[in-house]
Amino acid sequence: KAGVTQTPRYLIKTRGQQVTLSCSPISGHRSVSWYQQTPGQGLQFLFEYFSETQRNKGNFPGRFSGRQFSNSRSEMNVSTLELGDSALYLCASSLTGLAQETQYFGPGTRLLVL
Amino acid sequence: AQTVTQSQPEMSVQEAETVTLSCTYDTSESDYYLFWYKQPPSRQMILVIRQEAYKQQNATENRFSVNFQKAAKSFSLKISDSQLGDAAMYFCALGTWTSGSRLTFGEGTQLTVNP
Repeated sequence: KAGVTQTPRYLIKTRGQQVTLSCSPISGHRSVSWYQQTPGQGLQFLFEYFSETQRNKGNFPGRFSGRQFSNSRSEMNVSTLELGDSALYLCASSLTGLAQETQYFGPGTRLLVL
Repeated sequence: AQTVTQSQPEMSVQEAETVTLSCTYDTSESDYYLFWYKQPPSRQMILVIRQEAYKQQNATENRFSVNFQKAAKSFSLKISDSQLGDAAMYFCALGTWTSGSRLTFGEGTQLTVNP
């Protein structure tokens, strides 16, 4: 099976712009979670989507949003970019999102905000 | 709320030797799962080993094993016969029944393997 894929791998944006990141889960996986990784804050949970519905949400401002399509692919959108949004964004997929399931991570999208 | 703490920002080990990475956690839930993930320079997180809290037996995966001390809320990772390819950032993570797929990660331990 193909692994979790994320596109694009690298992005450079300027403050105030918006950005959309994409995540394709492993075939058959219906749960997709997003994490932000920064040197200062570490890995922080953004949100999880399951069957096209946001099921779980972290403590991020409303500028961070997402959606999931019927094929389980997920997108994450960040509007009005700030310098502090520069980070590695990771998505992870699992079968149904239960705690005991192994989550498989993608290679990440590196976002740089100038 | 859950917390995970890794008190060793950096560790180093000689090739073929054994190293132990520490992790402590806190949760009020009784049903939870613990994970060690490895993040090499390529940045892709890979699951190394997992432990179900209800299991008393420590998990083992080839050269990787854990020491799970439930009462002390400690979950350390032992890497035996260290190899150059083991060099990476290692993250301890906690998932609970109520949090679902939401994992709480520790700060990470950067492991260097010296030839």
